[in-house]
Amino acid sequence: AQSVTQPDIHITVSEGASLELRCNYSYGATPYLFWYVQSPGQGLQLLLKYFSGDTLVQGIKGFEAEFKRSQSSFNLRKPSVHWSDAAEYFCAVGILQGAQKLVFGQGTRLTINP
Amino acid sequence: DSGVTQTPKHLITATGQRVTLRCSPRSGDLSVYWYQQSLDQGLQFLIQYYNGEERAKGNILERFSAQQFPDLHSELNLSSLELGDSALYFCASSVARAVSTDTQYFGPGTRLTVL
Repeated sequence: AQSVTQPDIHITVSEGASLELRCNYSYGATPYLFWYVQSPGQGLQLLLKYFSGDTLVQGIKGFEAEFKRSQSSFNLRKPSVHWSDAAEYFCAVGILQGAQKLVFGQGTRLTINP
Repeated sequence: DSGVTQTPKHLITATGQRVTLRCSPRSGDLSVYWYQQSLDQGLQFLIQYYNGEERAKGNILERFSAQQFPDLHSELNLSSLELGDSALYFCASSVARAVSTDTQYFGPGTRLTVL
C-alpha cells in the first residue's frame, strides 16, 4: 500500500541552525512528491513539489528538498532557520494509479529555540 | 491568505446530529477537495469535485457526503455524528483536476467538536 513516513514527530532546532526533515515514501510507480507547511491555526501551504527532472527542488521561504529514488526519500532542508519557521511540516505523495489521491505523512512539528 | 474560505470556523454539536461545512474555492479554481485532520488518523483525503462532478474518492465514510454547486462552492455534509468525527476539516482548491499532481490551496479549516 502507498504510504509516507515522517520518522520525526517533533524536532527542535536553534534559530540560525540548519534543518533537515526526513520523508520516506512507499509507492511502486514514479512518485509525485510534495512538502506542505501548516502554521498554527492555518491551512496548509505548499513549500515545493517534485515531478521529474532535477532531483534538487527549490521552494519558497528558502527551503529545498532532494529526491533520492534509491532511498525512497524526499528530505526537506533549510540552511538557516528563522523563528517564523516554527510550524508543522507534511510530506505527501500523489497516487496516480487506481484510486487517485494525495497521501500525507503524519507530520513533523518544528520548534525553534531563540 | 490562500483565497479559499471555509465556514464556520468552529462547530460544536452532539452525537447523532448532522452538520454542513461550506467551502468557497479560489477565484478560477474548478476543483475542490475535502480533507479530515485528526490526531489518530492524521491528514486524510476524503473527496474531490471538479466543475460540479465527483472526481476522486478517498477515505470518506458513507455517513458523509459532499457536493459542488454551479457557482463552484462546495458543501460537506456529515450525518449521524460520532465522537470520533471530531476533527479539523479542510477544504482545498486547485485550477485543474488531478488530485495527485495539482498544487492545492488550503482553507483555514473548520474545527468540528462532537460531544
